[in-house]
Amino acid sequence: EAQVTQNPRYLITVTGKKLTVTCSQNMNHEYMSWYRQDPGLGLRQIYYSMNVEVTDKGDVPEGYKVSRKEKRNFPLILESPSPNQTSLYFCASSFWEGANIQYFGAGTRLSVL
Amino acid sequence: SQQGEEDPQALSIQEGENATMNCSYKTSINNLQWYRQNSGRGLVHLILIRSNEREKHSGRLRVTLDTSKKSSSLLITASRAADTASYFCATVIQGAQKLVFGQGTRLTINP
Repeated sequence: EAQVTQNPRYLITVTGKKLTVTCSQNMNHEYMSWYRQDPGLGLRQIYYSMNVEVTDKGDVPEGYKVSRKEKRNFPLILESPSPNQTSLYFCASSFWEGANIQYFGAGTRLSVL
Repeated sequence: SQQGEEDPQALSIQEGENATMNCSYKTSINNLQWYRQNSGRGLVHLILIRSNEREKHSGRLRVTLDTSKKSSSLLITASRAADTASYFCATVIQGAQKLVFGQGTRLTINP
């Protein structure tokens, strides 16, 4: 089954404790992206990757890191989480570039205390 | 304000009625897409309309695009309870490599 898998689905952590949210897709998509969703603000792009070893900042990259060592995986790293990073996070992937249809993961609900 | 803005922010109708949501954007686009999100879940792609298209249909969905007014509308006909969700438009700006999402319309279908 074609899918984008995020883990964990729910996470509660404390300020400053490094964490990683994993994202994996099995559709051989070149393009992968991370979004955060907050009430009243819609979805905002954090980082995106056009292909392996190619990443770029989205609209709200501060406080986040990403890597793309393999085509299927695109982890999101919070080196020192803060309460303002409490949010619902989505990973998405698509063929070729962001202009194409994006397939979303089920989301990761993160709370930073 | 954001590139894509949906209107209304919330819509509540009776089952069987038609639901219309609108999206306005600011800059020239390559295409415009509509997505659905059930509460707290991932977004699901519904339909894509390219900048040179004016109307597109998919089942009970009808999307129109007016590039002169920089606006799009999504019509859901004969609504069902299962259509209750948030609906987002997303635009691909010319020359950009990403989708820009609006804030969404929350649709509630009452039985």
